[in-house]
Amino acid sequence: DIHMTQSPSSLSAFVGDRVTITCRASQTISHFLNWYQQKPGKAPRLLIYAATNLQSGVPSRFSGSGSGTDFSLTISGLQPEDFATYFCQQSYRVPVTFGPGTKVDVK
Amino acid sequence: QVQLEQSGPEVKKPGASVKVSCKASGYTFTAYYLHWVRQAPGQGLEWLGRINPNSGGTYNAQGFFGRVLMTRDTSLTTAYLELSGLKSDDTAVYYCARDLNSDNSALEDWGQGTLVSVSS
Repeated sequence: DIHMTQSPSSLSAFVGDRVTITCRASQTISHFLNWYQQKPGKAPRLLIYAATNLQSGVPSRFSGSGSGTDFSLTISGLQPEDFATYFCQQSYRVPVTFGPGTKVDVK
Repeated sequence: QVQLEQSGPEVKKPGASVKVSCKASGYTFTAYYLHWVRQAPGQGLEWLGRINPNSGGTYNAQGFFGRVLMTRDTSLTTAYLELSGLKSDDTAVYYCARDLNSDNSALEDWGQGTLVSVSS
């Protein structure tokens, strides 16, 4: 199975900050990396697919980059509604696997 | 619009089985894989497997030792997850989710989740 790691596991930030979360795969996954946002008590929401593509309806302050094994999610100008947990997921090969998550909270 | 409507919460005893349903609407049911993902309290996301609603073919995650069964009823546009031999650490919210497209198992649409509680 492809193992996914994320860093940091949590971070504190101010509204307006630029925030970057990284995700690493245990083997190359090309561009098959997706990012999700999850708020307490809610289902995850797809933000970015195929490493760099913004899902419809997602604000443009979210962006993704990377390929191969190393990826990142950037939030440019953190908004109050962005405080949540973020997960990466590889869809290169089954079994699909997720990163452990990064919790973003208010500083 | 796409909707995935899941069945209600369940409380089960250890050793029992549970069957969760996921009713799909707003798209062609047989055109997209459906996945099952669970999340234990305060934990991350764990993929259980996927089903091809067209063929009924499945891929199950390893580690469940044959306890997971995914099926579908195309006439009802509904997918089902059955988990047998329940243990306390199966307590989780179970989600169904739909593929973005045939080229990428990004999970575009999600059900609201079904809480399964296992306790003696």
